[in-house]
Amino acid sequence: GAVVSQHPSWVICKSGTSVKIECRSLDFQATTMFWYRQFPKQSLMLMATSNEGSKATYEQGVEKDKFLINHASLTLSTLTVTSAHPEDSSFYICSARGGTSGRALNFYEQYFGPGTRLTVT
Amino acid sequence: AQTVTQSQPEMSVQEAETVTLSCTYDTSESDYYLFWYKQPPSRQMILVIRQEAYKQQNATENRFSVNFQKAAKSFSLKISDSQLGDAAMYFCAYIRGNKLVFGAGTILRVKS
Repeated sequence: GAVVSQHPSWVICKSGTSVKIECRSLDFQATTMFWYRQFPKQSLMLMATSNEGSKATYEQGVEKDKFLINHASLTLSTLTVTSAHPEDSSFYICSARGGTSGRALNFYEQYFGPGTRLTVT
Repeated sequence: AQTVTQSQPEMSVQEAETVTLSCTYDTSESDYYLFWYKQPPSRQMILVIRQEAYKQQNATENRFSVNFQKAAKSFSLKISDSQLGDAAMYFCAYIRGNKLVFGAGTILRVKS
């Protein structure tokens, strides 16, 4: 099946520092990638949508200057949490939706990465 | 606004029994897609089943099936012959265009 990876799987950083999370589609080209945030035992909250080569579209209430998203290629999107604070501690999940790479994919289906647990101390 | 409602925060089922998870949604669109995702303790989101709204036939995937009632905007998930590995949080989701809209989730516990 379509595989999406995230790196790192967990990260601890100090308050005030920045941290970058990578999301890669391993066996298909992701025309669109999504970033979600999830608190324990809660649902996924969409933060932003990114299309390769263009600026990300942020959901209402998400600070674009704090959560920098770059979709530099059809297989890589990055989320940078700038000047992180303890309230940014959360589980971040990316997903990808794409075209074909060796097999047909359902256009509407999103494939999820394993998530990144961020802890800010 | 597009919303998805899962009215059961938690459900329990005995191993080998059947359980049904409820989901209702609100949309004014006629063509859309619905999904059930499973999130086990590993937190990896796994697609369980999908339904295309223009198809009247209910989707099935092995032990998983849905009861899709378009007029009632209902999309319940039935898990037959429940297994310990089915224990997870289940999310109902609706999609149109780019975005997935998730329900609040239902925690399913499987008793041995």
